[in-house]
Amino acid sequence: SYVLTQPPSVSVAPGKTARITCGGNNIGIKSVHWYQQKPGQAPVLVIYYDSDRPSGIPERFSGSNSGNTATLTISRVEAGDEADYYCQVWHSSSDHVVFGGGTKLTVL
Amino acid sequence: EVHLVESGGGLVQPGRSLRLSCAASGFTFDDYAMHWVRQAPGKGLEWVSGISWNSGRIGYADSVKGRFIISRDNAKNSLYLQMNSLRPEDTALYYCAKDNTPEGGAPLFDYWGQGTLVTVSS
Repeated sequence: SYVLTQPPSVSVAPGKTARITCGGNNIGIKSVHWYQQKPGQAPVLVIYYDSDRPSGIPERFSGSNSGNTATLTISRVEAGDEADYYCQVWHSSSDHVVFGGGTKLTVL
Repeated sequence: EVHLVESGGGLVQPGRSLRLSCAASGFTFDDYAMHWVRQAPGKGLEWVSGISWNSGRIGYADSVKGRFIISRDNAKNSLYLQMNSLRPEDTALYYCAKDNTPEGGAPLFDYWGQGTLVTVSS
Protein backbone atom coordinates (compact mmCIF):
# COMPACT_ATOMS: atom_id res chain seq x y z
CA SER A 1 0.00 0.00 0.00
CA TYR A 2 1.03 3.60 -0.50
CA VAL A 3 2.11 5.58 2.56
CA LEU A 4 2.14 9.36 3.04
CA THR A 5 4.37 10.65 5.83
CA GLN A 6 3.76 13.98 7.54
CA PRO A 7 5.52 15.47 10.58
CA PRO A 8 3.20 15.21 13.60
CA SER A 9 3.68 18.86 14.47
CA VAL A 10 5.03 22.15 13.14
CA SER A 11 5.36 25.33 15.17
CA VAL A 12 5.74 28.84 13.79
CA ALA A 13 5.60 32.40 15.09
CA PRO A 14 2.92 34.75 13.80
CA GLY A 15 3.93 36.50 10.60
CA LYS A 16 6.45 33.83 9.68
CA THR A 17 6.24 31.08 7.07
CA ALA A 18 5.12 27.54 7.87
CA ARG A 19 6.04 24.62 5.66
CA ILE A 20 4.30 21.28 6.10
CA THR A 21 5.71 18.34 4.17
CA CYS A 22 4.10 15.19 2.85
CA GLY A 23 6.46 12.43 1.83
CA GLY A 24 5.66 9.53 -0.45
CA ASN A 25 7.38 7.36 -3.02
CA ASN A 26 7.46 9.38 -6.28
CA ILE A 27 4.68 11.59 -4.98
CA GLY A 28 5.76 14.15 -7.58
CA ILE A 29 3.92 12.20 -10.27
CA LYS A 30 0.67 12.23 -8.30
CA SER A 31 -1.83 14.99 -7.67
CA VAL A 32 -1.75 16.10 -4.04
CA HIS A 33 -4.60 17.76 -2.19
CA TRP A 34 -4.41 19.47 1.21
CA TYR A 35 -7.12 19.87 3.87
CA GLN A 36 -7.28 22.08 6.93
CA GLN A 37 -9.20 20.85 9.97
CA LYS A 38 -9.80 23.11 12.94
CA PRO A 39 -10.89 21.61 16.28
CA GLY A 40 -14.47 20.39 16.22
CA GLN A 41 -14.92 21.21 12.55
CA ALA A 42 -15.04 19.30 9.29
CA PRO A 43 -12.02 19.38 6.99
CA VAL A 44 -11.77 22.16 4.40
CA LEU A 45 -9.95 21.86 1.08
CA VAL A 46 -7.16 24.47 0.95
CA ILE A 47 -4.98 23.29 -1.95
CA TYR A 48 -5.83 20.93 -4.80
CA TYR A 49 -3.85 19.50 -7.72
CA ASP A 50 -0.61 20.32 -5.94
CA SER A 51 -0.88 24.10 -6.04
CA ASP A 52 -4.37 25.33 -6.95
CA ARG A 53 -6.38 27.28 -4.41
CA PRO A 54 -10.17 27.03 -4.04
CA SER A 55 -12.08 30.26 -4.03
CA GLY A 56 -12.08 31.84 -0.59
CA ILE A 57 -8.71 30.42 0.44
CA PRO A 58 -6.17 33.19 1.08
CA GLU A 59 -3.21 33.60 -1.28
CA ARG A 60 -1.01 32.99 1.75
CA PHE A 61 -1.65 29.28 1.16
CA SER A 62 0.41 27.66 -1.58
CA GLY A 63 1.59 24.20 -2.54
CA SER A 64 4.33 22.44 -4.45
CA ASN A 65 5.12 18.87 -5.35
CA SER A 66 8.29 17.29 -6.68
CA GLY A 67 10.25 14.09 -6.30
CA ASN A 68 9.30 12.37 -3.07
CA THR A 69 7.92 15.40 -1.23
CA ALA A 70 4.89 17.65 -1.49
CA THR A 71 4.83 20.85 0.57
CA LEU A 72 2.08 23.09 1.86
CA THR A 73 3.39 26.58 2.54
CA ILE A 74 1.53 29.12 4.64
CA SER A 75 3.00 32.61 4.46
CA ARG A 76 2.48 35.35 7.03
CA VAL A 77 0.96 32.85 9.44
CA GLU A 78 -1.96 34.03 11.56
CA ALA A 79 -3.39 32.66 14.79
CA GLY A 80 -6.44 31.51 12.84
CA ASP A 81 -4.27 29.14 10.77
CA GLU A 82 -3.74 26.92 13.80
CA ALA A 83 -5.22 23.57 12.77
CA ASP A 84 -4.48 20.04 11.64
CA TYR A 85 -3.42 19.72 8.01
CA TYR A 86 -3.75 16.55 5.92
CA CYS A 87 -2.35 15.68 2.52
CA GLN A 88 -4.22 13.27 0.23
CA VAL A 89 -3.54 11.41 -2.99
CA TRP A 90 -5.14 8.77 -5.16
CA HIS A 91 -3.18 5.53 -5.35
CA SER A 92 -4.19 4.16 -8.71
CA SER A 93 -2.55 0.77 -8.23
CA SER A 94 -4.85 -0.05 -5.33
CA ASP A 95 -7.70 2.22 -6.44
CA HIS A 96 -7.66 3.74 -2.95
CA VAL A 97 -7.61 7.20 -1.46
CA VAL A 98 -4.65 7.74 0.86
CA PHE A 99 -4.38 10.42 3.55
CA GLY A 100 -1.26 11.45 5.37
CA GLY A 101 -1.29 11.10 9.13
CA GLY A 102 -1.82 14.82 9.63
CA THR A 103 0.29 17.69 10.96
CA LYS A 104 -0.74 19.89 13.85
CA LEU A 105 0.25 23.48 13.14
CA THR A 106 0.82 25.52 16.28
CA VAL A 107 1.11 29.29 16.10
CA LEU A 108 3.38 30.40 18.92
CA GLU B 1 -24.52 26.86 -1.23
CA VAL B 2 -23.52 23.22 -0.87
CA HIS B 3 -24.92 21.41 2.16
CA LEU B 4 -24.20 17.85 3.23
CA VAL B 5 -26.03 16.58 6.30
CA GLU B 6 -25.23 13.16 7.71
CA SER B 7 -27.52 11.17 9.98
CA GLY B 8 -27.98 7.67 11.36
CA GLY B 9 -25.07 7.44 13.75
CA GLY B 10 -25.35 6.16 17.28
CA LEU B 11 -24.27 3.53 19.79
CA VAL B 12 -24.36 -0.03 18.47
CA GLN B 13 -23.11 -3.35 19.78
CA PRO B 14 -20.30 -5.24 18.04
CA GLY B 15 -21.58 -7.45 15.26
CA ARG B 16 -24.70 -5.38 14.67
CA SER B 17 -25.59 -3.13 11.72
CA LEU B 18 -26.20 0.55 11.16
CA ARG B 19 -27.18 2.61 8.12
CA LEU B 20 -25.86 6.12 7.61
CA SER B 21 -27.48 8.68 5.34
CA CYS B 22 -26.24 11.90 3.79
CA ALA B 23 -28.70 14.48 2.43
CA ALA B 24 -27.19 16.73 -0.22
CA SER B 25 -28.34 20.12 -1.48
CA GLY B 26 -27.00 23.17 -3.28
CA PHE B 27 -25.53 21.32 -6.26
CA THR B 28 -26.56 18.88 -8.98
CA PHE B 29 -26.15 15.68 -6.99
CA ASP B 30 -26.06 13.27 -9.91
CA ASP B 31 -23.17 15.14 -11.55
CA TYR B 32 -20.66 14.08 -8.91
CA ALA B 33 -19.14 11.11 -7.18
CA MET B 34 -19.58 10.95 -3.42
CA HIS B 35 -17.54 9.45 -0.61
CA TRP B 36 -17.51 8.49 3.05
CA VAL B 37 -14.46 9.43 5.12
CA ARG B 38 -14.14 8.61 8.82
CA GLN B 39 -12.09 9.89 11.73
CA ALA B 40 -11.60 7.86 14.89
CA PRO B 41 -11.49 9.92 18.11
CA GLY B 42 -8.22 11.83 18.25
CA LYS B 43 -6.97 10.23 15.03
CA GLY B 44 -6.51 11.17 11.38
CA LEU B 45 -8.71 10.90 8.33
CA GLU B 46 -9.44 7.53 6.71
CA TRP B 47 -11.24 7.11 3.40
CA VAL B 48 -13.99 4.49 3.72
CA SER B 49 -15.77 4.25 0.39
CA GLY B 50 -16.67 6.10 -2.80
CA ILE B 51 -19.36 5.84 -5.48
CA SER B 52 -19.50 7.39 -8.94
CA TRP B 53 -22.37 9.54 -10.18
CA ASN B 54 -24.28 6.61 -11.65
CA SER B 55 -23.17 3.97 -9.12
CA GLY B 56 -21.14 2.31 -11.87
CA ARG B 57 -17.84 2.65 -10.01
CA ILE B 58 -17.64 1.74 -6.32
CA GLY B 59 -14.61 1.35 -4.08
CA TYR B 60 -13.93 0.39 -0.48
CA ALA B 61 -11.04 0.61 1.92
CA ASP B 62 -9.61 -2.79 2.77
CA SER B 63 -10.68 -2.29 6.39
CA VAL B 64 -14.39 -2.28 5.48
CA LYS B 65 -14.55 -4.31 2.27
CA GLY B 66 -17.10 -7.10 2.55
CA ARG B 67 -18.83 -5.46 5.55
CA PHE B 68 -19.92 -2.02 4.32
CA ILE B 69 -22.07 -1.17 1.30
CA ILE B 70 -22.23 2.29 -0.25
CA SER B 71 -25.20 3.36 -2.34
CA ARG B 72 -26.92 6.49 -3.59
CA ASP B 73 -30.39 7.58 -4.67
CA ASN B 74 -30.05 10.42 -7.15
CA ALA B 75 -33.81 11.04 -7.14
CA LYS B 76 -33.57 11.78 -3.41
CA ASN B 77 -30.17 13.54 -3.51
CA SER B 78 -28.98 11.08 -0.91
CA LEU B 79 -25.93 8.96 -0.16
CA TYR B 80 -25.96 5.92 2.11
CA LEU B 81 -23.58 3.63 3.95
CA GLN B 82 -24.84 0.28 5.17
CA MET B 83 -22.47 -0.91 7.87
CA ASN B 84 -22.65 -4.57 8.84
CA SER B 85 -20.67 -6.72 11.28
CA LEU B 86 -19.52 -3.62 13.10
CA ARG B 87 -16.35 -3.74 15.17
CA PRO B 88 -15.08 -1.50 17.98
CA GLU B 89 -12.42 -0.20 15.58
CA ASP B 90 -15.20 1.20 13.36
CA THR B 91 -15.92 3.77 16.08
CA ALA B 92 -15.47 7.14 14.40
CA LEU B 93 -17.04 10.32 13.12
CA TYR B 94 -18.27 9.51 9.61
CA TYR B 95 -18.15 12.34 7.07
CA CYS B 96 -19.97 12.53 3.79
CA ALA B 97 -17.77 14.25 1.19
CA LYS B 98 -18.47 15.52 -2.30
CA ASP B 99 -16.01 14.73 -5.08
CA ASN B 100 -15.30 17.31 -7.74
CA THR B 101 -15.54 14.73 -10.56
CA PRO B 102 -18.33 12.39 -11.67
CA GLU B 103 -16.38 9.14 -11.74
CA GLY B 104 -14.63 9.06 -8.38
CA GLY B 105 -11.27 8.07 -9.78
CA ALA B 106 -8.45 10.29 -8.46
CA PRO B 107 -10.94 12.09 -6.19
CA LEU B 108 -10.62 15.25 -4.24
CA PHE B 109 -13.14 16.31 -1.63
CA ASP B 110 -14.32 19.87 -2.16
CA TYR B 111 -17.17 19.85 0.36
CA TRP B 112 -17.70 17.95 3.60
CA GLY B 113 -20.60 17.45 5.97
CA GLN B 114 -20.28 17.88 9.73
CA GLY B 115 -20.26 14.14 10.34
CA THR B 116 -22.27 11.62 12.30
CA LEU B 117 -20.74 9.72 15.21
CA VAL B 118 -20.77 5.94 15.28
CA THR B 119 -19.79 4.21 18.51
CA VAL B 120 -19.39 0.44 18.52
CA SER B 121 -19.34 -0.90 22.04
CA SER B 122 -21.00 -3.51 24.21
